[in-house]
Amino acid sequence: DTGVSQNPRHKITKRGQNVTFRCDPISEHNRLYWYRQTLGQGPEFLTYFQNEAQLEKSRLLSDRFSAERPKGSFSTLEIQRTEQGDSAMYLCASSPGQRGYTFGSGTRLTVV
Amino acid sequence: ELKVEQNPLFLSMQEGKNYTIYCNYSTTSDRLYWYRQDPGKSLESLFVLLSNGAVKQEGRLMASLDTKARLSTLHITAAVHDLSATYFCAVDLNTGGFKTIFGAGTRLFVKA
Repeated sequence: DTGVSQNPRHKITKRGQNVTFRCDPISEHNRLYWYRQTLGQGPEFLTYFQNEAQLEKSRLLSDRFSAERPKGSFSTLEIQRTEQGDSAMYLCASSPGQRGYTFGSGTRLTVV
Repeated sequence: ELKVEQNPLFLSMQEGKNYTIYCNYSTTSDRLYWYRQDPGKSLESLFVLLSNGAVKQEGRLMASLDTKARLSTLHITAAVHDLSATYFCAVDLNTGGFKTIFGAGTRLFVKA
């Protein structure tokens, strides 16, 4: 197992377009998290899955954002009608439960 | 709401010197993390501290936790240039979903 994998690594999109990111967690980890990190800031929690169930969502996650984790394996994060303020690094992390996370390399989104 | 404050936010130090980074948090938690992030990279887990008085050491870094004071420290001994990075502390918000709140990070630069 090579850790948490995120694709794409970089995404440049025009304002108003939809984008989708994918995260493949470590296979035996049942917990999966999405965080957003803007330049010079710490990661901000977006949402959390335990297996396929989305158990928590941040108020930061507007109705333009949706996340899924079908079958409790990989997860996708979709942003509809992107805005310039959505430009950030989107980090996925997974955890086996009671320990710290393993983070992926992130997807850097630039909205132009 | 849980707040995590780090200080200093920026630290420039000479090689060979010692220094301490502080992390204060505002509500009770039973798990605190330290992460390292290099520019443009994802987060690397350094320490997970689970109980009052916990102390962990790895190389030139030592982390401690005082849950009564809601304070963790990351002590750097005889700094070397390779330690230059941003260090984040993060605290679990015990909502049952283990949402983790990150501090803003301490940008450390070690001058050769």
